[in-house]
Amino acid sequence: GQQVMQIPQYQHVQEGEDFTTYCNSSTTLSNIQWYKQRPGGHPVFLIQLVKSGEVKKQKRLTFQFGEAKKNSSLHITATQTTDVGTYFCAGMDTGRRALTFGSGTRLQVQP
Amino acid sequence: NAGVTQTPKFQVLKTGQSMTLQCAQDMNHEYMSWYRQDPGMGLRLIHYSVGAGITDQGEVPNGYNVSRSTTEDFPLRLLSAAPSQTSVYFCASSYSLDRKNTGELFFGEGSRLTVL
Repeated sequence: GQQVMQIPQYQHVQEGEDFTTYCNSSTTLSNIQWYKQRPGGHPVFLIQLVKSGEVKKQKRLTFQFGEAKKNSSLHITATQTTDVGTYFCAGMDTGRRALTFGSGTRLQVQP
Repeated sequence: NAGVTQTPKFQVLKTGQSMTLQCAQDMNHEYMSWYRQDPGMGLRLIHYSVGAGITDQGEVPNGYNVSRSTTEDFPLRLLSAAPSQTSVYFCASSYSLDRKNTGELFFGEGSRLTVL
């Protein structure tokens, strides 16, 4: 079945440093979504990318969708302690009407 | 708006017991789903429903049943709990989920289940 891989699994940065997480799918995606889950919380939708090569920004967060629509990245500039959490990418399952989630990247920010 | 409401938030079961996790949404969403979250494994889909009266299996359906008698409610039943079902369970809904129109998932706050 479809697989969505995310790297790294975990990253620990100093406040002010940049952070990037990468998402790779075994199949071409119709679109990709990103979610953030704070410790002890539930996933919250951040953004959806649809077009090949699309780049979207939300303040310090930059999201990219690859030209082949098989990979995506989330880059955070100048991390803050409020960025702590786990970031998940999710793509439409090829066989079901469902989202397949990556395993997530846990971000820890040292003040 | 309440959004997606899950009950209970915490539950401890003994092996072999059965229970139902409740999920209700007040956004008139057609699509509802159940995921389980285990450390290092992300979110894995258990069952989903694209509308009242329609349910389908996800990645890890064994040991779980669902039904969708109304648009609002999507309960998840554990038939005979096993320690491997110890996990955090999330219910999520969306106004639409298909390739042409993929809405965002709205998640409940989660139900933490421990099976002894």
